[in-house]
Amino acid sequence: DQQVKQNSPSLSVQEGRISILNCDYTNSMFDYFLWYKKYPAEGPTFLISISSIKDKNEDGRFTVFLNKSAKHLSLHIVPSQPGDSAVYFCAAIAGGSQGNLIFGKGTKLSVKP
Amino acid sequence: EAGVAQSPRYKIIEKRQSVAFWCNPISGHATLYWYQQILGQGPKLLIQFQNNGVVDDSQLPKDRFSAERLKGVDSTLKIQPAKLEDSAVYLCASSLGGTGRQNEQFFGPGTRLTVL
Repeated sequence: DQQVKQNSPSLSVQEGRISILNCDYTNSMFDYFLWYKKYPAEGPTFLISISSIKDKNEDGRFTVFLNKSAKHLSLHIVPSQPGDSAVYFCAAIAGGSQGNLIFGKGTKLSVKP
Repeated sequence: EAGVAQSPRYKIIEKRQSVAFWCNPISGHATLYWYQQILGQGPKLLIQFQNNGVVDDSQLPKDRFSAERLKGVDSTLKIQPAKLEDSAVYLCASSLGGTGRQNEQFFGPGTRLTVL
């Protein structure tokens, strides 16, 4: 049973436009959420995180929004660049930031010039 | 700062054979993780070490998988005997083991295992 769900396997966006990647979770004990970015033949790299006490966290072009009542979070990339093309994984932790990461299946983002 | 190192990068074996993967974490990182990533899935935690002790191995198939972290630094993950469904990328990650951003996990490039 998937506790972290990324229902869109892929997303294609034009360069300069906004990319919105979505993630849903089922476990109400999750209280820390992360986004990882993965290029082919490389390991995932940390992108941005958010604690459940917040509803928004921003880092440059990347913003993560958390809607706890809907058990939904989203990653916004503005403006999108061709170098953002990668697989994006949503991950969640129960027990603050020290628990084990539970990953979604990932969404492959393609940013076209 | 050097990242997490893993070897080999690729391995092809036949079912019922044995295989071992090696991981060298970032210097000073107390916590080490092994993940299995099957094609089309997200990484799944197999085992977590804190220094040289096991913190969580609840999802490790212990009948065929084993892992050790001698001296609290390098780690090896072994599969014996391998099955077709073990074909996956095996990722090693490490973290300082603290709270907040100190527990950020840094991943190695992974070992792609193909079992024929």
